[in-house]
Amino acid sequence: DSGVTQTPKHLITATGQRVTLRCSPRSGDLSVYWYQQSLDQGLQFLIQYYNGEERAKGNILERFSAQQFPDLHSELNLSSLELGDSALYFCASGTGRNHNEQFFGPGTRLTVL
Amino acid sequence: GENVEQHPSTLSVQEGDSAVIKCTYSDSASNYFPWYKQELGKGPQLIIDIRSNVGEKKDQRIAVTLNKTAKHFSLHITETQPEDSAVYFCAASIGSGGSNYKLTFGKGTLLTVNP
Repeated sequence: DSGVTQTPKHLITATGQRVTLRCSPRSGDLSVYWYQQSLDQGLQFLIQYYNGEERAKGNILERFSAQQFPDLHSELNLSSLELGDSALYFCASGTGRNHNEQFFGPGTRLTVL
Repeated sequence: GENVEQHPSTLSVQEGDSAVIKCTYSDSASNYFPWYKQELGKGPQLIIDIRSNVGEKKDQRIAVTLNKTAKHFSLHITETQPEDSAVYFCAASIGSGGSNYKLTFGKGTLLTVNP
């Protein structure tokens, strides 16, 4: 158990809908990273937050957004969902202080029908 | 941006044999190289990592080597066991000093250890 929690574990929704994925980092970790895992694209970095502020953006679509709250949990919002958004979404956390280790949560499997 | 290539994509070994997975990276500024093990239905688990100021690191049956000049790094698993069967990912990261340590991953290697 990495100490990172993600909810829900599974999410099934329809095209055009909006969903919110939640992540709680390990105790003491200030950085939260979101990654998408799909068969064709592999594991891809989406976005990073550090202590409530956005620090880096990767291949994140404009339909996707995220935020980190004062209690350091993070939410990833996916809107106008398309079939191609079906994937595993992972959250990872790290201290973010001259320290690169990232610890991954169990993931949320999103299925868009 | 950074690009990480990983080989082989699948690897099958007999229990007790060694397994080697190799990765190359493109950005010479990368300075942190972790390896993750992902079992079916689970998130990636950090198993070992190496930083650019070190050439080799070992943890029991697992070792990682780094060649900065050639920009490649490898994972070595000795005395493999059936429970080592999983997908292994290498990754590279540039520590920018601004708390941004995004990981760029290889495509993964499916390791199967046959009893």
